[in-house]
Amino acid sequence: GAGVSQTPSNKVTEKGKYVELRCDPISGHTALYWYRQSLGQGPEFLIYFQGTGAADDSGLPNDRFFAVRPEGSVSTLKIQRTERGDSAVYLCASSLSSGALSGANVLTFGAGSRLTVL
Amino acid sequence: AQKITQTQPGMFVQEKEAVTLDCTYDTSDPSYGLFWYKQPSSGEMIFLIYQGSYDQQNATEGRYSLNFQKARKSANLVISASQLGDSAMYFCAMREGNSGYALNFGKGTSLLVTP
Repeated sequence: GAGVSQTPSNKVTEKGKYVELRCDPISGHTALYWYRQSLGQGPEFLIYFQGTGAADDSGLPNDRFFAVRPEGSVSTLKIQRTERGDSAVYLCASSLSSGALSGANVLTFGAGSRLTVL
Repeated sequence: AQKITQTQPGMFVQEKEAVTLDCTYDTSDPSYGLFWYKQPSSGEMIFLIYQGSYDQQNATEGRYSLNFQKARKSANLVISASQLGDSAMYFCAMREGNSGYALNFGKGTSLLVTP
């Protein structure tokens, strides 16, 4: 598509429930990133995919968080047993590749999925 | 340790004036890239400008320029001729070339442009 698409834009859930957040990157972008942004903070890195594989998941806060990208395009961020502290905006970004440092290989972000855990 | 520091939580500027948003960074990697993003109230992160650590000249993109002082490890964003639509959060970010692909973001500066 023309931009990075994230669904849902808003999700309200109860503590302990399971949620899935979806990201559809720009067509042709092989690198995909998930970030979390809490109120008043900058985005915090969660996980990065190059193609289908998770190349770096060092930012996932614990094992309740998991992400997949089975066909190298759409990615789903999965959160089990949600907690109130998981409330944040989850941002997805994609880039042409993860390789060269250059202005041509910048991250393009989606509008985010706002998760509220009651 | 915080790799990107933005010391100005909020800034005001009058329309048509120039404004400088501060950013300092910390890395021992000789290869790195510095990015500025704008986040309006709609929430989407919009890429503004990029500076590579080996670039000899300061980056410019329209009304945006980056005052890159490598020895001081600073990469300040200068917005010239401010417009009301420039009101937003501004984030400085860094990617280190040899230690991963993630962008590390600062906490941001909120800019308000007044008529």
